[in-house]
Amino acid sequence: AQKITQTQPGMFVQEKEAVTLDCTYDTSDQSYGLFWYKQPSSGEMIFLIYQGSYDEQNATEGRYSLNFQKARKSANLVISASQLGDSAMYFCAMRGPSGAGSYQLTFGKGTKLSVIP
Amino acid sequence: DADVTQTPRNRITKTGKRIMLECSQTKGHDRMYWYRQDPGLGLRLIYYSFDVKDINKGEISDGYSVSRQAQAKFSLSLESAIPNQTALYFCATSDLEGGPWNEQFFGPGTRLTVL
Repeated sequence: AQKITQTQPGMFVQEKEAVTLDCTYDTSDQSYGLFWYKQPSSGEMIFLIYQGSYDEQNATEGRYSLNFQKARKSANLVISASQLGDSAMYFCAMRGPSGAGSYQLTFGKGTKLSVIP
Repeated sequence: DADVTQTPRNRITKTGKRIMLECSQTKGHDRMYWYRQDPGLGLRLIYYSFDVKDINKGEISDGYSVSRQAQAKFSLSLESAIPNQTALYFCATSDLEGGPWNEQFFGPGTRLTVL
């Protein structure tokens, strides 16, 4: 079975500052993928970044980077230079052979990020 | 135009009614999914389909059924709606090419309220 834990229900960050959203995972799979999605108040799910379990380098996509520590089973999302538009719910998710329905996404409960002007 | 569309976007219905939520995609993806989102619980998989003839139950399929009418269409039905099925429902798609690590593309969601 797979499990994603996001321990921060809510976070605040000052505009233009960096923020780290925590994600830990549990799986017995050797090969898996980790994803972050953003959900603004409008409700849609927006894909941000992906990290494969065998990728040696941390993934980066613009202002988003994924701090992947395999031994600690953590996949934290780092947002640099926060903007007001970054205020949203953020979900960590994973896919692997033992996931629900095999290779389907297992989601954490999310972290609500609020960017303060 | 959006790649993944869902209709209706909002629906209020009564207990015992039959409800169908529809999903269409123009991305040409083989794989389609239905998720449910409840506050504080994240998204949970209801059903998924790898092609028209391959439909599988997800984590929480009880009380739901699906139909894959074509590669581009995947419908979710609540045969007899109950209040605890009040939730935000998402359809998603992903490409077969590139293996299981491809991102899933989500529709805008359908907000369903069962009174």
